[in-house]
Amino acid sequence: DVVMTQSPLSLPVTLGQPASISCRSSQSLVYSDGNTYLSWFQQRPGQSPRRLIHRVSNWDSGVPDRFSGSGSGTDFTLNISRVEAEDVGVYYCMQGSHWPLTFGGGTKVEIK
Amino acid sequence: EVQLVESGGGLVQPGGSLRLSCAVSGFTFSTYWMTWVRQAPGKGLEWVVNIGPDGSEKYSVDSVRGRFTISRDNAKSSLYLQMNSLRAEDTAVYYCAKGARAPDSWGQGTLVTVSS
Repeated sequence: DVVMTQSPLSLPVTLGQPASISCRSSQSLVYSDGNTYLSWFQQRPGQSPRRLIHRVSNWDSGVPDRFSGSGSGTDFTLNISRVEAEDVGVYYCMQGSHWPLTFGGGTKVEIK
Repeated sequence: EVQLVESGGGLVQPGGSLRLSCAVSGFTFSTYWMTWVRQAPGKGLEWVVNIGPDGSEKYSVDSVRGRFTISRDNAKSSLYLQMNSLRAEDTAVYYCAKGARAPDSWGQGTLVTVSS
């Protein structure tokens, strides 16, 4: 199985400051069709997960442009350019290139 | 607007069975892969099982294979998860989601508690 390793586990951030979450996979996520199925999800307290980014760097509708995704192969990053209060929650990366599909362990973003 | 509404969760004894349902609207259900993902209390997300648009392709995580069965009724725009031989470690909120490799819309979840 592909292991997804996220860091850090917890990320205290000052409002208005940037934040960065790393996600590493145990093998390349480049699929046979040429796509890299790496997604990022946000789960606010008490809510269902919401997809923010798909195929490494593609925004979902309604996602603020302060969120961005980057990376390739086995190393990926979610960046928040200026953290706002509504960004508090847990962020998960997920790979969809290999069965079984797997999630990272999550990174909890909180305000200092 | 895409909507996914799960139902069928509850308290069940170890070894028991439960059937979850997910009613969807707002998209052409019969053309999409569908997914069940679960989240144990206070834990992270775990992918459980996928089903293809016509129901002929299915993939599942090892821990539920042989016990859980995913199915769909495209005429009713509904997704199901039949869970048998339930164990304490199956206790979780179960989410249905649209899509397979990168689920883009999720329901609110239904809680399954396996306990005596």
